Amino acid sequence: AQSVTQPDIHITVSEGASLELRCNYSYGATPYLFWYVQSPGQGLQLLLKYFSGDTLVQGIKGFEAEFKRSQSSFNLRKPSVHWSDAAEYFCAGIFLRQTGANNLFFGTGTRLTVIP
Amino acid sequence: EAQVTQNPRYLITVTGKKLTVTCSQNMNHEYMSWYRQDPGLGLRQIYYSMNVEVTDKGDVPEGYKVSRKEKRNFPLILESPSPNQTSLYFCASSPTTGAGSPLHFGNGTRLTVT
Repeated sequence: AQSVTQPDIHITVSEGASLELRCNYSYGATPYLFWYVQSPGQGLQLLLKYFSGDTLVQGIKGFEAEFKRSQSSFNLRKPSVHWSDAAEYFCAGIFLRQTGANNLFFGTGTRLTVIP
Repeated sequence: EAQVTQNPRYLITVTGKKLTVTCSQNMNHEYMSWYRQDPGLGLRQIYYSMNVEVTDKGDVPEGYKVSRKEKRNFPLILESPSPNQTSLYFCASSPTTGAGSPLHFGNGTRLTVT
């Protein structure tokens, strides 16, 4: 069955340190993959997306993600974390339903805490 | 301003008392969807709509109803709410149903059923 897995529930990093959030998917074909960020009390905002082509995608706020087919992964990275990056991050993938509608499946999220 | 608007932001109700959470988008989007967010479970899709008068079940539709009489509105109806429907709900829309069409989310409705 198709799924998206985020193995880390909570990550704490120091401000200025690098960040990597893990995401794995399970799907027979290559899914469309996304990273969303949710700040406290807010809806979800799209950080970046991967459809095909270059496996390293750049997003907003200095984030990037790398698609690795061999590892079924789509990890999110940032070279230097800012305190304002503290939020919950969701990896998501689109898998085609039988009805023809494309449905977005979300991982369970990773909460990022940034310490001074 | 392009946005998805949900109301109310917070709602406390009692078991069995029918309620409606409204969702409206001003972007002329075809696709709309409702999700619920629960700790440790991420976001799960409740219902979606590919266009006016076209709705279908998501992954957790039990206990919910939706309607899409107009393109801009997609209300979520709980006919007889139960405590296990206490959750954070998000409405989202996208221009088309295509895989690449980005989702725009509302700010959420936190529902508590006692």
